[in-house]
Amino acid sequence: AQKVTQAQTEISVVEKEDVTLDCVYETRDTTYYLFWYKQPPSGELVFLIRRNSFDEQNEISGRYSWNFQKSTSSFNFTITASQVVDSAVYFCALSEADNFNKFYFGSGTKLNVKP
Amino acid sequence: GAVVSQHPSWVICKSGTSVKIECRSLDFQATTMFWYRQFPKQSLMLMATSNEGSKATYEQGVEKDKFLINHASLTLSTLTVTSAHPEDSSFYICRGQVEDTEAFFGQGTRLTVV
Repeated sequence: AQKVTQAQTEISVVEKEDVTLDCVYETRDTTYYLFWYKQPPSGELVFLIRRNSFDEQNEISGRYSWNFQKSTSSFNFTITASQVVDSAVYFCALSEADNFNKFYFGSGTKLNVKP
Repeated sequence: GAVVSQHPSWVICKSGTSVKIECRSLDFQATTMFWYRQFPKQSLMLMATSNEGSKATYEQGVEKDKFLINHASLTLSTLTVTSAHPEDSSFYICRGQVEDTEAFFGQGTRLTVV
């Protein structure tokens, strides 16, 4: 079964619009980590955030914010006032208590921000 | 922050030849190195996990004789694609890990086999 689901394959927005990328995860563990990574066209993976399962506080970092809701097993990512440089593929990932080093990646959401 | 340097960033090789990809952890010691493969428009798929000084553990469906992984030191891990074929063309990326801390990805290698 898919442990991390990113249902949005591709999203296109116009610059300055807000956009939310969805991530739904599945785990039986009570202790786990959730991640978001950005992959620009050059290919490298840029770390954005790591959140452990005991910390449900929403986080804001500049134009980025994350909404973690255990009740719906979701860890959504919102970009406010999007910019062209935000265009990339974004991956959500999960690691579980039995092996925190093993990441389960979602299929990714390609974000296109048009000027 | 910590950096994993991966080389080459891209390579084109002839079918039947072997290609070696290196990942070096520059300012930390990666006790574990993970190797992923990413086909176009797809997610990252874990190929194998290697711990320094021991044999790599391969994921189901990954041929260990074709994808040779060496993790001889805490700062260097290599992936060799042996007898490469066009279907091996992909983006390969490594990830260094220090115990239960943040992971550090290499820049990736785009392999094209012609």
